[in-house]
Order: sequence, then structure tokens, then C-alpha cells
Amino acid sequence: EAGVTQFPSHSVIEKGQTVTLRCDPISGHDNLYWYRRVMGKEIKFLLHFVKESKQDESGMPNNRFLAERTGGTYSTLKVQPAELEDSGVYFCASSQDGQIGTQYFGPGTRLLVL
Amino acid sequence: GIQVEQSPPDLILQEGANSTLRCNFSDSVNNLQWFHQNPWGQLINLFYIPSGTKQNGRLSATTVATERYSLLYISSSQTTDSGVYFCAVEPRVNSGGYQKVTFGTGTKLQVIP
Repeated sequence: EAGVTQFPSHSVIEKGQTVTLRCDPISGHDNLYWYRRVMGKEIKFLLHFVKESKQDESGMPNNRFLAERTGGTYSTLKVQPAELEDSGVYFCASSQDGQIGTQYFGPGTRLLVL
Repeated sequence: GIQVEQSPPDLILQEGANSTLRCNFSDSVNNLQWFHQNPWGQLINLFYIPSGTKQNGRLSATTVATERYSLLYISSSQTTDSGVYFCAVEPRVNSGGYQKVTFGTGTKLQVIP
């Protein structure tokens, strides 16, 4: 069974540009989460989808971030316009039952904003 | 919200040495998990351990939920153990409602040959 996949693995963009990150969860997992780790700091929760609905988006830093999960399958996280402080590693995780112990993490997307 | 603190923040070990990493949390939790972020940035599940003790090879973990802490033991450390270790908790809510996962501050471990 394929795990959680994320695309791209790395992205280097200039300040002001737009970047879209993609996450494909494990098939059948209704719960999808986005997290990010900015340089040297802890991993922080961004938002949680249950199917196509946003269960909790309290961790989204500001309105430059837009997450979607059309049809309850893959999810995208768009940053527009990107700022220097958005640099970091963005992780996606999926879970069948929403329990922490059952969250499977993707490999992450490393974003560098210059 | 719940506070999750890890100690030490940084740790340098000689290969072969043992170490203990600590995770303190400020409120009751339903679940707790330890992760290792390796030097390539990948996040690896280590233990799902809301209470009790578990062992996997050179690693073991103990969570004392009543005292709100968890320990991760690394024995006979190897250079491949280098990276950042995170604990993450799911706070307990009396209403039984959903609570998002909160990660600790991390312990950066460097194992030198």
C-alpha cells in the first residue's frame, strides 16, 4: 500500500511568488492534516480536513495560505504571495480514524523563499 | 492551550553512549507519540505511547501520564540517530471533542563518531 506522498520534495521561489504544495493521503483515509516546521522551531499544526471539509484551520498563519481538498482525496496548500518567513518544511499526514497514533506522515516539502 | 516542552534542547553524544530525552506536558492527554526527524527532513514515527513502556531495539519510551511526562531512551547511540526528536500530544478534552495535535519544541541530537 502506498504511503502519504507529497509533491514537490523541494521548492525554491522568490518572495512574492506563488507556490502550491500537494499531498496525496493514503487511500481511504478521511483525515488529512497539514503541519509545518520553520527553521529551528517546533512542528506546528496548520489545519485538519475530514473528507473535503475543514475540521480545524486554527493553525493557518494568515490569509496568504489557502488549503483545499476537492472531492476528499488529495489536498493542496497554496501560499500566495510567499514571504521569507514561510520557508520551512511542510508535512502532510493522513489518518483513518483521526487518532494521533494512526497518523501517517509524508516525506515533507522543503520550501525556501528567497 | 496545552504546553509541551522537551529537554534538553540540544545534545551531543559520542557514538555508543546512552541518553534520555524528556517531554513534559501541561495537561492531561489522550495520546502521545515520539517522532524522529532525520537529517534529510523526513519525519519517522517511533512510538505511540499514551502510557506505559515500550521498546524497539535500542530505543524505548516510558510515559507516566499521571505525572505528565514521557521519556525516550536511546542506548548505544549511532550516528544515524542524529536528527531532531519530537514528542506530540493530543490533549484530553472532558467533552470528548476533537483536539488538535501539539508538538513539543524538539531535542536536536548529534551523535559523533
